[in-house]
Amino acid sequence: ILNVEQSPQSLHVQEGDSTNFTCSFPSSNFYALHWYRWETAKSPEALFVMTLNGDEKKKGRISATLNTKEGYSYLYIKGSQPEDSATYLCVTGTASKLTFGTGTRLQVTL
Amino acid sequence: GAVVSQHPSWVICKSGTSVKIECRSLDFQATTMFWYRQFPKQSLMLMATSNEGSKATYEQGVEKDKFLINHASLTLSTLTVTSAHPEDSSFYICSARGAGLSNQPQHFGDGTRLSIL
Repeated sequence: ILNVEQSPQSLHVQEGDSTNFTCSFPSSNFYALHWYRWETAKSPEALFVMTLNGDEKKKGRISATLNTKEGYSYLYIKGSQPEDSATYLCVTGTASKLTFGTGTRLQVTL
Repeated sequence: GAVVSQHPSWVICKSGTSVKIECRSLDFQATTMFWYRQFPKQSLMLMATSNEGSKATYEQGVEKDKFLINHASLTLSTLTVTSAHPEDSSFYICSARGAGLSNQPQHFGDGTRLSIL
């Protein structure tokens, strides 16, 4: 894997469903992985920064895991709500540069 | 939390016009600011990195004479698209980071949608 790849590209779930997305990235020279939530017409909001293999972070109903050896991270949302609708960006970072995935667009309906 | 203000939010102008976009950190000192561009259905791509008081570092393929970046203070960076043409139409967004660990999250502006007619 040469770039940051996210799947699925888009996702449509019902309120109350739990869901998860995948981010794959080059495992060599890993430095840090960021998850951002980007709502339409707003600025991207940082959710998590993870640096260590096996890291797990949680913020309310959202959690993330990191596997630096195999080069992937999962983002989980438990009990999706309409306000969770956004594009979720996975980003790998070095000391001076971030490389962005194209994002997973989540839409949560009633 | 940290706030970054970017304006204008959108610009429509004629081909050949130069356009300036401002990025301000409102409640922290941004030692480093980043400028990104996003074309439709593509990911954000870093254009350049600027550190306060020094020249910006441009990514490969980004023309420094076309995209002038100034970071004269710890709270303000500007991107000027000189003699803009339709192919420069894109979404431009800045981010800022304070001093400290470089793996800390960046704080983004709301972005500027630029349309060149």
